[in-house]
Amino acid sequence: GAVVSQHPSRVICKSGTSVKIECRSLDFQATTMFWYRQFPKKSLMLMATSNEGSKATYEQGVEKDKFLINHASLTLSTLTVTSAHPEDSSFYICSARVRGASTEAFFGQGTRLTVV
Amino acid sequence: KNQVEQSPQSLIILEGKNCTLQCNYTVSPFSNLRWYKQDTGRGPVSLTIMTFSENTKSNGRYTATLDADTKQSSLHITASQLSDSASYICVVTLLLSTSGTYKYIFGTGTRLKVLA
Repeated sequence: GAVVSQHPSRVICKSGTSVKIECRSLDFQATTMFWYRQFPKKSLMLMATSNEGSKATYEQGVEKDKFLINHASLTLSTLTVTSAHPEDSSFYICSARVRGASTEAFFGQGTRLTVV
Repeated sequence: KNQVEQSPQSLIILEGKNCTLQCNYTVSPFSNLRWYKQDTGRGPVSLTIMTFSENTKSNGRYTATLDADTKQSSLHITASQLSDSASYICVVTLLLSTSGTYKYIFGTGTRLKVLA
C-alpha cells in the first residue's frame, strides 16, 4: 500500500521558536496533501489543503501566517508552526491523496508537538 | 449540513467478544465512506471503503455495512483482540464538484478498549 512518512514523530520546542513538520509520499505522487490537527480524544480537524505548486487553502479560523504550508513537489509538503506557543501543542497529522481520479488519501504517522 | 456522527462514543468489551460500531451521516452528495483505525499517537489506517452500491465489505475480522437509503454504516469486529483497542473513525467523502473536487467529513470516532 501507499506510504506517507511524517517527520518528526515527536518534537519539543521552546515558546517563540518555529517548528517544521515534513510529510512525504514515499511511493506515489500526491497532488493534494491535507494537514490536520487533533486534540486529545477528539477527531481530526482539517487545517488546510495544499496542492502542489499553488498556495494552500486554509480552513476558517486557521491562521495562515501562523501555520505556513509549502507543497513544493509532488511528494513533499511541509507545515511550519511559527512563533510557537504552548496552546499550539497538539497532534498534527498529514495525509496525501493519490494523483489521479482516486479519492483515497493515506495518512502519515502524526507528529506530537509540545511547546514549553 | 454535512455531518458524520458515530456511536457509541466509547466502548469496553472483553477479548474474544464481538462488537458493532455505528456511523450515521447526512453528507450529500455522497462519494464513499471509509472506516479507519487509529491507534493512540498514530495516524489513521484505512480498514474498508464503501461506495454507494456496496452493502457489505469485509477485511479479516472487520465487516463494514452500508445502507445508502438510511445513510447508515456499521463496522462489526469479530472475535476481538487486545490489539483492536483503538479509535475507529468513520469518514465520508463529499463530492464538491463533477471535476473531482472532494472533501472528507470526519466522524467523532468511537474509542474501543478490549480487556483481557
